[in-house]
Amino acid sequence: DTAVSQTPKYLVTQMGNDKSIKCEQNLGHDTMYWYKQDSKKFLKIMFSYNNKELIINETVPNRFSPKSPDKAHLNLHINSLELGDSAVYFCASNPGQGGRTEAFFGQGTRLTVV
Amino acid sequence: AQSVTQPDIHITVSEGASLELRCNYSYGATPYLFWYVQSPGQGLQLLLKYFSGDTLVQGIKGFEAEFKRSQSSFNLRKPSVHWSDAAEYFCAVGHTNAGKSTFGDGTTLTVKP
Repeated sequence: DTAVSQTPKYLVTQMGNDKSIKCEQNLGHDTMYWYKQDSKKFLKIMFSYNNKELIINETVPNRFSPKSPDKAHLNLHINSLELGDSAVYFCASNPGQGGRTEAFFGQGTRLTVV
Repeated sequence: AQSVTQPDIHITVSEGASLELRCNYSYGATPYLFWYVQSPGQGLQLLLKYFSGDTLVQGIKGFEAEFKRSQSSFNLRKPSVHWSDAAEYFCAVGHTNAGKSTFGDGTTLTVKP
């Protein structure tokens, strides 16, 4: 029983394409996130949703659009992919007030833009 | 602004040796502090956390961490490292009112046989 699952695990695509990454959590958590981990393994928050509402958007380009159809799902759609978008994207969930409790992470999606 | 500093980018220790990974934070109030581990190709997994109370906290896999308010530190320790501990380690501070955590840049641990 995977708590936070992301698909796909690997994604290779050409510049200019549009792609989506899906995330689902079965923990019943109210808060979900997208993080980006670059080649130096630096981890930066991109978005946070609480009960389907966007609560954090950390200066991410408009080409990135999260969508939360329900509180168990948070998908990430990326338009017009660029080389610099290559990274590992992690979905995570949190049971309560984001900063006070730990996050549960998915296994990541390695995106390679060629 | 809240921040987390992990001064050591890369640490190498011999199997069986003790380990200490450093973490310093900057936060205006009582911090919520976390250590996570990331094994190769995996997501992050919580090792331990500190909210209040006893400043020495025990975690999984034999790890412990000590909160020192006077030094703004939350260093991670393990008395005897195993080869399977080779991974990336992240310290994080939780923002109580901002709904998120800020992560340090990570420390890569290599374990020599």
